[in-house]
Amino acid sequence: DVKVTQSSRYLVKRTGEKVFLECVQDMDHENMFWYRQDPGLGLRLIYFSYDVKMKEKGDIPEGYSVSREKKERFSLILESASTNQTSMYLCASSFLDGYTFGSGTRLTVV
Amino acid sequence: QQQVKQSPQSLIVQKGGISIINCAYENTAFDYFPWYQQFPGKGPALLIAIRPDVSEKKEGRFTISFNKSAKQFSLHIMDSQPGDSATYFCAASMRDTGNQFYFGTGTSLTVIP
Repeated sequence: DVKVTQSSRYLVKRTGEKVFLECVQDMDHENMFWYRQDPGLGLRLIYFSYDVKMKEKGDIPEGYSVSREKKERFSLILESASTNQTSMYLCASSFLDGYTFGSGTRLTVV
Repeated sequence: QQQVKQSPQSLIVQKGGISIINCAYENTAFDYFPWYQQFPGKGPALLIAIRPDVSEKKEGRFTISFNKSAKQFSLHIMDSQPGDSATYFCAASMRDTGNQFYFGTGTSLTVIP
């Protein structure tokens, strides 16, 4: 089974901090994605990557950046955390049909 | 704008009843329609999926009905059980976008004993 591992289940950060969310997949998938999940808004795509050192903006990239230095690792960076970035963050990887999601990181910015 | 519209936002069903969740899309280039199930504290997991060359797909108690002309698809959960209580997301994708999926806003299903 493909495994997508997100490094933290819960994070609490202060406003203005730089925050790193890490995601690692173990199946050599080309495609990786970062979503945030908010009640009533569903899953919204932040950034995605089809290859190493390659990134594409999703629907809500403002305030975020990403890094993909190795195929298996895709990092989401909050340059200066704000309270409106309090959310559940989900990483996914895919090959052909279907995503495999990580368990999510619940980030609270205070 | 929302590429895939999902309804209802929440659903309460008695044990043994049928749960029905509906989705609609506009882009006729979509050619793959999965449903994901998410339990609290977990990431969404693929439940069942369909391609537009068939009108129905069944896996156990879960059935997708697909209406290509209406650009709608729905998930039916027969004999709903309390263990089915979860959030369900429909999605759509097209092969030439590198596997990017467009998700509905989710339906919170509660099955009461």
